[in-house]
Amino acid sequence: EVQLVESGGGLVQPGRSLKLSCVASGFTFSNYGMNWIRQAPGKGLEWVAYISSGSSYIYYAETVKGRFTISRDNAKNTLYLQMTSLRSEDTALYYCARATGSSDYWGQGVMVTVSS
Amino acid sequence: DIVMTQTPSSQAVSAGEKVTMSCKSSQSLLYSENKKNYLAWYQQKPGQSPKLLISWASTRESGVPDRFIGSGSGTDFTLTISSVQAEDLAVYYCEQYYDTPLFGGGTKLELK
Repeated sequence: EVQLVESGGGLVQPGRSLKLSCVASGFTFSNYGMNWIRQAPGKGLEWVAYISSGSSYIYYAETVKGRFTISRDNAKNTLYLQMTSLRSEDTALYYCARATGSSDYWGQGVMVTVSS
Repeated sequence: DIVMTQTPSSQAVSAGEKVTMSCKSSQSLLYSENKKNYLAWYQQKPGQSPKLLISWASTRESGVPDRFIGSGSGTDFTLTISSVQAEDLAVYYCEQYYDTPLFGGGTKLELK
């Protein structure tokens, strides 16, 4: 069974940093690209970042480019999202999802709240 | 940049009713080399993560009931639920993955 479990969220002040993790199981993690997708409270879905299976290809939404860094450790079956210079508009539930073109499996999400 | 527009934003339905919702893209999602439309549909129930229903505009994921039908090509796409069940009340999102992924604003199905 495919499982994706996010962690690392919490309350953080504007301008500070936070690093999210997503541990994958139930499939060969190193064979798949991965997405981070977020959802602000009561809002729709916003794609944040993508990383290919071997980390050769990385893409970001314009709203986070230069502030967020996606990475992965295939030996640990873990996906990361390093978030810096956080803003109130980054407040959201952050999902990791397996990328197969679309996103076929999603984690339960981890909440990030940016507030003073 | 591609713009994805979903209509309606909400729809009140009764059990057993046929429902259609629309997703329009500002540019074609049909890739000429493989003749595939890079369009997916997701269902999100309250308090749950989104669930992939349909990829490539019309390919149902394993386990998705056949009352969910995706159709369309190019810039105009439709998700049809042939006979709505109570468990189908949710928000439905389309997503283009022709370029960097972009979701539509969603269509919320509510009980009439």
